[in-house]
Amino acid sequence: EVQLVQSGAEVKKPGESLKISCKGSGYTFTYYWIGWVRQMPGKGLEWMGIFYPGDSDTRYSPSFQGRVTMSADKSISTAYLQWSSLKASDSGMYYCVRGHRELGVDYWGRGTLVTVSS
Amino acid sequence: DIQMTQSPSSLSASVGDRVTLTCRASQGITNYLAWFQQKPGKAPKSLIYAASSLQSGVPSKFSGSGSGTDFTLTISSLQPEDFATYYCQQYYSHSYTFGQGTKLELK
Repeated sequence: EVQLVQSGAEVKKPGESLKISCKGSGYTFTYYWIGWVRQMPGKGLEWMGIFYPGDSDTRYSPSFQGRVTMSADKSISTAYLQWSSLKASDSGMYYCVRGHRELGVDYWGRGTLVTVSS
Repeated sequence: DIQMTQSPSSLSASVGDRVTLTCRASQGITNYLAWFQQKPGKAPKSLIYAASSLQSGVPSKFSGSGSGTDFTLTISSLQPEDFATYYCQQYYSHSYTFGQGTKLELK
């Protein structure tokens, strides 16, 4: 069974750094890309970018370029999304997704809630 | 970026109805179009990929069509569990943009 298990909720202060994780299981981690999606409270889905674990190629959405860093540790089938300096506007739910060029997104993690508040 | 526009933004329907939701891309995306369902407080669920193919385990009451710039999602015989928000997404060109969503509400 394919699963994407995300790390738990985080409460941070503005200016702090953060790294959240997404562990894939039940499939060959390097055969699919991992995407990240933000959903702010009461709002729609925003595509943040895509990471290819096979070759570490990364494509960021223009809205998130320079604001976040996507990475992965293939040895433990885990993808990461990190911030070096959080802002209150980074608060929201962050989903990792699995995808394939022809099949699009097929599996979603349950989400990690990030709250940034002074 | 390719812009995705869904219509209507909200739709009221009754149990047993058949509804059609629309998604339009700002430029051609061939058939690189997916649909997702999201219920309150839950992660989205993947329904359709390649405009018309059902993801594994998705019931056949959901169907998708379209190519190029215009796409539809049809849900037949609505049941209480189908009332949710539906999003389309293009995965033709980075970044893989979403539509703003259509909220399907019980009349």
